[in-house]
Amino acid sequence: QKEVEQDPGPLSVPEGAIVSLNCTYSNSAFQYFMWYRQYSRKGPELLMYTYSSGNKEDGRFTAQVDKSSKYISLFIRDSQPSDSATYLCAMSGYGGKLIFGQGTELSVKP
Amino acid sequence: GAVVSQHPSRVICKSGTSVKIECRSLDFQATTMFWYRQFPKQSLMLMATSNEGSKATYEQGVEKDKFLINHASLTLSTLTVTSAHPEDSSFYICSGVRGRDTEAFFGQGTRLTVV
Repeated sequence: QKEVEQDPGPLSVPEGAIVSLNCTYSNSAFQYFMWYRQYSRKGPELLMYTYSSGNKEDGRFTAQVDKSSKYISLFIRDSQPSDSATYLCAMSGYGGKLIFGQGTELSVKP
Repeated sequence: GAVVSQHPSRVICKSGTSVKIECRSLDFQATTMFWYRQFPKQSLMLMATSNEGSKATYEQGVEKDKFLINHASLTLSTLTVTSAHPEDSSFYICSGVRGRDTEAFFGQGTRLTVV
């Protein structure tokens, strides 16, 4: 079993839809949870960063962490074609070593 | 967010030669640098962890004599792929972490093609 599981998709939605991306994990020591966005042939860029459980909102993006269920989510409201990318969840305990999910390929159609 | 500059962005080399990839943290001191490798349609796999001034720690299955990592200063880490072979062709990405902060900042990646 992988430490972090993420559905690779691809996920295709119409413009304006609400997108829900999810990851599950098995290591209860994880404390830091991140979502990265990666455009084709580019390095990942940090979208959201959450410590421990709870919700965090930034513009159209909302990250949720449920440590009791070992489940994290990223919601994108009013999705745009420019949101088309691969979304990677990542998490770590203390020390900065990130474990990544496989990434979900998202396509937002105009 | 903080900036990590990675060069080159793309390199093509002949089999048997060596290639050096640089990562610089431009506006923060990266006490720890991580090097990842990403194959197409796959996630990032950690290759090694380097702390400034000490030897890198390699993940299981990563040849330390093939992938030489140097972290001589708090703003510069290098990865040298020695005696490259076509199977080393991949996307290599570095990330820097400042102090005890676990938020990682990534370089833009280097696409290595060995012919």
